[in-house]
Amino acid sequence: DVKVTQSSRYLVKRTGEKVFLECVQDMDHENMFWYRQDPGLGLRLIYFSYDVKMKEKGDIPEGYSVSREKKERFSLILESASTNQTSMYLCACTGDHYGYTFGSGTRLTVV
Amino acid sequence: SQKIEQNSEALNIQEGKTATLTCNYTNYSPAYLQWYRQDPGRGPVFLLLIRENEKEKRKERLKVTFDTTLKQSLFHITASQPADSATYLCALPLSSGSARQLTFGSGTQLTVLP
Repeated sequence: DVKVTQSSRYLVKRTGEKVFLECVQDMDHENMFWYRQDPGLGLRLIYFSYDVKMKEKGDIPEGYSVSREKKERFSLILESASTNQTSMYLCACTGDHYGYTFGSGTRLTVV
Repeated sequence: SQKIEQNSEALNIQEGKTATLTCNYTNYSPAYLQWYRQDPGRGPVFLLLIRENEKEKRKERLKVTFDTTLKQSLFHITASQPADSATYLCALPLSSGSARQLTFGSGTQLTVLP
């Protein structure tokens, strides 16, 4: 089974900091995704990537960027963290079977 | 864009009963629909995928139906157990021909009472 590892479970950052959230998968899957999850709003797609160096905006890309230099790693970057980016961030990947494998999530608090 | 509605935010049932969760969607008919389980503080876990030409799919105590006329999927857990308590999410492809992006419902929190 594929494993998706997110670098941090909990993170506290200050407003204005540049924040990097890392995600690594071990199955050579093409498609990788970043979602954020907030109470009452569900999962919302921030960015996704279907190959190395390829990226597409999701529903809420503002304030975020991504990087995919290697197939197994997909990074989410908060250019200048703000309090409204306090959330649970979830990385996922999918291969041939279409079902997503999610990481355990990073709970980010911006103070 | 696709809109998904899951029947209720919370559902409580007695152990041993069958839990039935509903997922309704609008707009286009998706080629498939998926169900996930999410425990508190964890990422969702993929459970089942059902395709538009499949009326029903089973996996152990789980059964999913897909009615493209009603634009609805039902998710059943038979002989429910307290360990089945979790939030269940349905998900559909974002749009026809998309690169496998999914849009998720907000979930139904199921509590199975002993």
